[in-house]
Amino acid sequence: QSVLTQSPSVSGTPGERVTISCSGSGSNIGSKSVTWYQHVAGKAPKLLLYSNNQRPSGVPDRFSGSRSGTSASLAITGLQSEDEADYYCATWDDSLNGWVFGGGSKLTV
Amino acid sequence: QLQLQESGPGLVKPSETLSLTCSVSSGSLFSTSYSWGWIRQPPGKGLEWIGTIMYSGSTYYNPSLKSGVTISADTSKNQFSLNLSSVTAADTAVYYCARHMPQRYCSGGTCYPTGSLDIWGQGTKVIVSS
Repeated sequence: QSVLTQSPSVSGTPGERVTISCSGSGSNIGSKSVTWYQHVAGKAPKLLLYSNNQRPSGVPDRFSGSRSGTSASLAITGLQSEDEADYYCATWDDSLNGWVFGGGSKLTV
Repeated sequence: QLQLQESGPGLVKPSETLSLTCSVSSGSLFSTSYSWGWIRQPPGKGLEWIGTIMYSGSTYYNPSLKSGVTISADTSKNQFSLNLSSVTAADTAVYYCARHMPQRYCSGGTCYPTGSLDIWGQGTKVIVSS
């Protein structure tokens, strides 16, 4: 059972907009910024967003993030087949004194 | 571009100690306040943070694994290592090493590695089996 809760799966068609949600509590999302990762099987996880909504160099602006209270969300616009992957939210948890991940959301395009 | 590379045995017997090393390609491990972490992904499951060693040498471990985990660093070799003792089949996973961004949260004189894990190794598969 993950500390952060994500929907196991989400799907969309090319060009569509999808959102992936991540729910936590006051000791994690409620007090610390959220990170999002994209993970394609067999490859290293890729940092997608940090500090809730900041994109590292090279990440397209089709990817955006937000945080409100104890929840966060990742939005992907202009869905492409190459976006098919597992997406994880993560953040620091003050009660556990450690990083926690969501269970992951499998995006099917 | 900084690269991380995990190395270690791909097969470990139950009750033994799993030992992995992460080699950092350039720079000096703790010279610019970076912290370094280990993460794993069991088959069919999600990512799980194992622990982190900070630039200060402080370590933080996943409470669910804490008693068996040790992370250490060898700055002369630009490497950091993971030891996981008394392994069981549940420790079978792909193990990743990664760098934390320099952000940290400090409270009461203690600092925590709250920077996102931005650069990851390719991962190494470890099977626990007799």
